[in-house]
Amino acid sequence: SQQGEEDPQALSIQEGENATMNCSYKTSINNLQWYRQNSGRGLVHLILIRSNEREKHSGRLRVTLDTSKKSSSLLITASRAADTASYFCATISSGAGSYQLTFGKGTKLSVIP
Amino acid sequence: SAVISQKPSRDICQRGTSLTIQCQVDSQVTMMFWYRQQPGQSLTLIATANQGSEATYESGFVIDKFPISRPNLTFSTLTVSNMSPEDSSIYLCSVEDQVDEQFFGPGTRLTVL
Repeated sequence: SQQGEEDPQALSIQEGENATMNCSYKTSINNLQWYRQNSGRGLVHLILIRSNEREKHSGRLRVTLDTSKKSSSLLITASRAADTASYFCATISSGAGSYQLTFGKGTKLSVIP
Repeated sequence: SAVISQKPSRDICQRGTSLTIQCQVDSQVTMMFWYRQQPGQSLTLIATANQGSEATYESGFVIDKFPISRPNLTFSTLTVSNMSPEDSSIYLCSVEDQVDEQFFGPGTRLTVL
């Protein structure tokens, strides 16, 4: 079964606005990773946040992690049309030798010029 | 980050035939992973391929249907055997780097008629 659940499933915003996507998961994790996928192509790695971290930034991206609520959020500030894509969270469960990424269903973001 | 290439990028195949997908990494990696993404869905792990040992398959995937080779630390192949239209998907390989980030290849879009 899938570990993560993103919401919303789809999000449409105007260029320049901020976009927030949420991810919830079920079990204890080592880390959580966010990916972007354009039009059914390969996945682009955006950011990894570890279970002992609460917030990370990368350019216009801000990721938070709340392990008590088993949730994470991805914020894209000052969105651009080029940010139009599907965004997935994926988790690696805690435990020795864990390496399997379990993906959520994704959020489809549309940024309108 | 690792640079990953896949061949072919896309293919259209007839029912009952087989297709072998190649994955090449620009650095030596211990683990390589194969994922499937069915139309409109998220990613599901098929198997983990370690060099010098048999691949480890996830529930619902079997070696006879998805044989995998891992002849060295930079290369792997996934074969989709005896294809049916239900095998139409994007197939992606990925690798994990030293800081637990997983990077993906551009994917192979397979259509089975």
